[in-house]
Amino acid sequence: IAGITQAPTSQILAAGRRMTLRCTQDMRHNAMYWYRQDLGLGLRLIHYSNTAGTTGKGEVPDGYSVSRANTDDFPLTLASAVPSQTSVYFCASSEGRGADNEQFFGPGTRLTVL
Amino acid sequence: GQNIDQPTEMTATEGAIVQINCTYQTSGFNGLFWYQQHAGEAPTFLSYNVLDGLEEKGRFSSFLSRSKGYSYLLLKELQMKDSASYLCAVSDSNYQLIWGAGTKLIIKP
Repeated sequence: IAGITQAPTSQILAAGRRMTLRCTQDMRHNAMYWYRQDLGLGLRLIHYSNTAGTTGKGEVPDGYSVSRANTDDFPLTLASAVPSQTSVYFCASSEGRGADNEQFFGPGTRLTVL
Repeated sequence: GQNIDQPTEMTATEGAIVQINCTYQTSGFNGLFWYQQHAGEAPTFLSYNVLDGLEEKGRFSSFLSRSKGYSYLLLKELQMKDSASYLCAVSDSNYQLIWGAGTKLIIKP
């Protein structure tokens, strides 16, 4: 089934621990994105990748890192989790990063940092 | 700064029509998107407007006025399954999507 998968679905994490959220797409999209969604706020871009081998910082990159070793995978790593990183994380992809490129979203990872 | 404003919540009756407004102030404009998000699920694409005017797609229509920094999503013949949050997003000068907080639409029978 074509689309984007994310893992894990949910996670409870102790503060200070390292965590990697996984994201895989099979649509051969060039661009991929990581967002966080918090109650009362719009989706906020953490990091993005225009194509395999390149990454860029979004609106709220601090405390997060990404890599894009190939077209399909775009993992997000929290080096040392803090409670303010409790959120729902969505991975998304689009064919390119042009104006009319619809973004397709994964099902999300609900992360709680205690 | 960049800003997208939408009402937090709206209520409408099954079978009726509802209009969800979105106003924006962004650095550059490369189009406006509307997405639907059911509770606990991922956002899904509804519409894209880059030129002024109305785009109709079945029961859903989206309008854009670039000079006014304004868009609306019009939902006709409301069904219970339309209960969801509706997200407005603007593609800025760097093609980054700036998102509103979303409008939660409650449909009553």
